[in-house]
Amino acid sequence: EDKVVQSPLSLVVHEGDTVTLNCSYEVTNFRSLLWYKQEKKAPTFLFMLTSSGIEKKSGRLSSILDKKELFSILNITATQTGDSAVYLCAVQIQGAQKLVFGQGTRLTINP
Amino acid sequence: NAGVMQNPRHLVRRRGQEARLRCSPVKGHSHVYWYRQLPEEGLKFMVYLQKENIIDESGMPKERFSAEFPKEGPSILRIQQVVRGDSAAYFCASSPGYSGNTIYFGEGSWLTVV
Repeated sequence: EDKVVQSPLSLVVHEGDTVTLNCSYEVTNFRSLLWYKQEKKAPTFLFMLTSSGIEKKSGRLSSILDKKELFSILNITATQTGDSAVYLCAVQIQGAQKLVFGQGTRLTINP
Repeated sequence: NAGVMQNPRHLVRRRGQEARLRCSPVKGHSHVYWYRQLPEEGLKFMVYLQKENIIDESGMPKERFSAEFPKEGPSILRIQQVVRGDSAAYFCASSPGYSGNTIYFGEGSWLTVV
């Protein structure tokens, strides 16, 4: 069965800290890995990763994929209270359009 | 959120009633997906549709749940004879359908069964 596991499940840090969120996966035919941010409503797309070792960056957020070790990390530097959200990792299977989601990491940034 | 529109945003139903959730994809997107999110859990795939066709319904409960995406109009997720365990957020997503594209989500419909 295809599986995506995120860690930690919950993380509380202070504003200005740097955080690293982890996502590991076991799927039959990997196509891509996606990161979403969810703040009590729709998941908002952050990154799509298809190739190993190529960092994707958007402002203070960055992400990288390791297809050999089957994991991805999402880094957030200089965190702000607005970064508080649930961060979802999902894997898209080759030949199927559906996404397999992890259970999410709930990130809380305290002022 | 790239224009996926869902309604209603919140729906309360008594046990045994029917719930009907609607989703209009991003303009130009021909692929629609429905996901369910139970409290404190990740999203779980339910069904993938293209216009007038169900492509993958492997995540859909066998009974009481059905989905359609007609040639004209929104996609509908229908839940008959709702039970308390159906209380969840139901998210619709859409994509253009070609390889490597991103899937964009709507704001969700929160179903509460009382």
